[in-house]
Amino acid sequence: KQEVTQIPAALSVPEGENLVLNCSFTDSAIYNLQWFRQDPGKGLTSLLLIQSSQREQTSGRLNASLDKSSGRSTLYIAASQPGDSATYLCAPGTGTASKLTFGTGTRLQVTL
Amino acid sequence: ETGVTQTPRHLVMGMTNKKSLKCEQHLGHNAMYWYKQSAKKPLELMFVYSLEERVENNSVPSRFSPECPNSSHLFLHLHTLQPEDSALYLCASSRDRAETQYFGPGTRLLVL
Repeated sequence: KQEVTQIPAALSVPEGENLVLNCSFTDSAIYNLQWFRQDPGKGLTSLLLIQSSQREQTSGRLNASLDKSSGRSTLYIAASQPGDSATYLCAPGTGTASKLTFGTGTRLQVTL
Repeated sequence: ETGVTQTPRHLVMGMTNKKSLKCEQHLGHNAMYWYKQSAKKPLELMFVYSLEERVENNSVPSRFSPECPNSSHLFLHLHTLQPEDSALYLCASSRDRAETQYFGPGTRLLVL
């Protein structure tokens, strides 16, 4: 059974800092891995999808890396802004139905 | 807006009621998903439909009954729920099962 751990659970940084969110998973036989953000009381917004054959994906100020063999992924956020404040969720996909297993997330607050 | 809508956005029901949650996607996707998000717990996958066929049932109690009449619509029929079923129910869709999932805003359910 896939288990996903995200560290840290919560993070508060001043605006402009670069930061790294960590995700580890126990079953390395994954199809892909997605990073999402969730604003309070809202649905999820997909940020990046990394296929199992890829090492990283970039979108704007976001860069996600994947080390499938060691069961790790990181999300790097450059030049953080208050609008980045949200909970960030990591979800590796396994199985024929691409079942996503979620961690409990990292709650990020970017202060002015 | 992700192209995935859910109704109602909020629902309060008694344990003897029967209600249905509706999800609609306007993205031309072939796969649709139901997830449950309880307080302090990771998102849990409930059901996966691909081309209107259920391909995953993640050990969900029978008081939750999904229905996918076509590739654009997904329902979750609820009956004789328990207070512990109170949660945010999220619908998602993807072009195919191994591709990026797009989430709706969720239905916040309270069972009294």
